[in-house]
Amino acid sequence: KNEVEQSPQNLTAQEGEFITINCSYSVGISALHWLQQHPGGGIVSLFMLSSGKKKHGRLIATINIQEKHSSLHITASHPRDSAVYICAVKFMLGANAGKSTFGDGTTLTVKP
Amino acid sequence: DTAVSQTPKYLVTQMGNDKSIKCEQNLGHDTMYWYKQDSKKFLKIMFSYNNKELIINETVPNRFSPKSPDKAHLNLHINSLELGDSAVYFCASSSGSGGTQYFGPGTRLLVL
Repeated sequence: KNEVEQSPQNLTAQEGEFITINCSYSVGISALHWLQQHPGGGIVSLFMLSSGKKKHGRLIATINIQEKHSSLHITASHPRDSAVYICAVKFMLGANAGKSTFGDGTTLTVKP
Repeated sequence: DTAVSQTPKYLVTQMGNDKSIKCEQNLGHDTMYWYKQDSKKFLKIMFSYNNKELIINETVPNRFSPKSPDKAHLNLHINSLELGDSAVYFCASSSGSGGTQYFGPGTRLLVL
């Protein structure tokens, strides 16, 4: 069982909608990354978080360490936001300590 | 200016062959990674190097041998290629093992 769970697996939205993608993990982490993989395959790092909240343009990422949960929000979504969004965590303990462990990704499609 | 570059972008080869994929970063990072993304788009870490030293070696066949001639390069050599090696291989780098990772464009390997 993957120790990083993302939801939803697939998400279709209309242009302009507010979007939330969730990531939950099982044990303590040292860092959490949100990545974006474009339809062409390229991967871009969006945020790295260890606490609190970060904002970049229309993207906002939050993390709640106590609840072991992070969210990625997209405001005023646009078709060019269509991509796979991947959550990756670096666990502090356990068999995966120190390694980047990836969620299965959320495929977002934004329709015009 | 490309931050993390990989060559080749595409690689089609026969089973049993030996091939190498090269990765270079010009970001001055000290940590580099190799990831494998399978046909289901799941990303998994294979290796991580810090200052030319191996720090993560996931359970991958010993046909895969990473080599880091210097901090800016991490090459991946694969012996006796098998059909199941077909995947996209991503190189990444970061400043320290906890820093934001920057990904290369990926190398699409197809073994026939």
